[in-house]
Amino acid sequence: SAVISQKPSRDICQRGTSLTIQCQVDSQVTMMFWYRQQPGQSLTLIATANQGSEATYESGFVIDKFPISRPNLTFSTLTVSNMSPEDSSIYLCSIGAVTDTQYFGPGTRLTVL
Amino acid sequence: GENVEQHPSTLSVQEGDSAVIKCTYSDSASNYFPWYKQELGKRPQLIIDIRSNVGEKKDQRIAVTLNKTAKHFSLHITETQPEDSAVYFCAASRDTGRRALTFGSGTRLQVQP
Repeated sequence: SAVISQKPSRDICQRGTSLTIQCQVDSQVTMMFWYRQQPGQSLTLIATANQGSEATYESGFVIDKFPISRPNLTFSTLTVSNMSPEDSSIYLCSIGAVTDTQYFGPGTRLTVL
Repeated sequence: GENVEQHPSTLSVQEGDSAVIKCTYSDSASNYFPWYKQELGKRPQLIIDIRSNVGEKKDQRIAVTLNKTAKHFSLHITETQPEDSAVYFCAASRDTGRRALTFGSGTRLQVQP
């Protein structure tokens, strides 16, 4: 399976600031997804990121708060904007393919003070 | 949209016993059901998956069963070992890697030595 990396692995940020999380894959993939995992909770989909088109956001998530870029088939970024302590979570990217299952990146642990 | 319910939320078994985790889903169009294991501080790792054209799938000590009529699927772990201790998530999707996953709430499995 593909190797997925995320940067940063963790960060501590001040409220009101923004953080951009990078997801890099070592092969070309069509589908990329961004999930949020709040402390002790399950995974919730933020958006689906397809190369060459706007990201598709799930209910409760908006582009102004979580802008996503997908400039090519191996890379995506998620920005968490105007952060508040409620944004403290693990953010994970995942990849999917037509006949394959989904695999997750190592995650970015974000703490907002 | 899809809704996945998972039970129990916590499960404690003695080493060598079996463990069963159950999930129900709401969307009859869902046709792909993976199970992920997440150890503390790590990414979710796929352990087994099943597609809707199959009723049961086994991989060594792990098995998954699917009842499409009742819209539920279960994870069975036999001969549990302490290293099986983790949080397990079920998920459902309409089309393998093409679409995002809807996750259950998770089951914390503790295997007592």
